[in-house]
This record gives sequence, structure tokens and C-alpha cells, in this order.
Amino acid sequence: EPEVTQTPSHQVTQMGQEVILRCVPISNHLYFYWYRQILGQKVEFLVSFYNNEISEKSEIFDDQFSVERPDGSNFTLKIRSTKLEDSAMYFCASRGGVTTGELFFGEGSRLTVL
Amino acid sequence: AQSVSQHNHHVILSEAASLELGCNYSYGGTVNLFWYVQYPGQHLQLLLKYFSGDPLVKGIKGFEAEFIKSKFSFNLRKPSVQWSDTAEYFCAVRGGSQGNLIFGKGTKLSVKP
Repeated sequence: EPEVTQTPSHQVTQMGQEVILRCVPISNHLYFYWYRQILGQKVEFLVSFYNNEISEKSEIFDDQFSVERPDGSNFTLKIRSTKLEDSAMYFCASRGGVTTGELFFGEGSRLTVL
Repeated sequence: AQSVSQHNHHVILSEAASLELGCNYSYGGTVNLFWYVQYPGQHLQLLLKYFSGDPLVKGIKGFEAEFIKSKFSFNLRKPSVQWSDTAEYFCAVRGGSQGNLIFGKGTKLSVKP
């Protein structure tokens, strides 16, 4: 069964460092998403990406965040200068072209900022 | 703006007990509703979804949910839980034009053997 894969599974970084989280969505999917889940809190939408551009983003997705699909398979989330409050589990998801399709999630990348 | 409320933060049941997890949403248009489950250490998996038609939706592993439009609710049920159902359950509503999901805070279910 096709699945969304994410790397790394866990990254520890110092405050102020840049972090790149990588995702390989399901191959024929067209819509891509990043969510985050701070420990003990709900899953929060960050950004959606379609047709090589951001289609929607939340208030959380400020100038410190960026997304890219550099090579047609990877979908990356970059945090330019990490803060302590960026510590969370980051989930990538993808969806096919069907309007009512479900989102398929990866296993997540846990980011710990020290 | 869309929002989702899950009433219970943590539910503890014994095996074979019946389960009902509450979910209420606020959204003015046509809704797509989902329940996802997150087993310990694993990713979010779809349990079931409602788009249209029969408001009683059956999902995997014996779960079902009922969409009650007048109550803006989409409660999850299972007649008899098992220890393996221990997980966190998230209700979600589709919001926005690009299909992103808005999640509730989740309900942690602990089933005692």
C-alpha cells in the first residue's frame, strides 16, 4: 500500500538553527500538507501546497517557515531559525486529486529545539 | 471559521464496554467529516469519513459514526472496545478551498484488559 514517508523521525537542534524536514508524498497525489502537534495539544494545520505553490496557510506559518517541492517527489518544510516553541511532531500529508479524498499522513518527524 | 470540539480529553474503559466519543463542529457549508486514530508511536490513520448520503457511517475495526446535522455532531461509536483500541482519536472537518482538515484536540482512549 502506498504511503507517505518522512525523514528524519527525530531531530534535535539548537535554538536559532535551521531545520529541514523532508516528506515523500504518495506518488500520484497532487495536494500536500504540513501539520504540527505540540505535545499534549491538537493537530494544527500549517500549510497546503498545490501546483507548485502555497494554496493556504495558517497564522502559525510565519516568515520563519517555508515549503518547497524541489524535485517532483520530495516535499520539504524549512524552519529558518528555530525557537523553543517549534518543538513538536510535524506531520506531512498528501491527497489525490479527488475533491473529497482523504488525507494520508506520514509517521511524523519529532523536532526538539534546545 | 471552521472549528471542531471534542468533549472528552481522556476516556478510560474496560474491555467489552461500549464507546461513544463526542465531536461537534462549526461550519456553515457542506461538511466533510472524518475520524482519525493515532495508535501509540504511529501516524494518523483514517477510521471513517462522511461526505454525503447515509448519515450513519461505518468504518474499520467495528467503528461507526453518525452525522446529525441539526446538532452539528459526528460522534464516534463502537459497541464493544478491545485493549487494542487504546489510542488517541481525532475528529476533523474539511475546511478551506484546498481540502485541509481542521482537527479537534483529540480524545485519548485507554482500554483496560
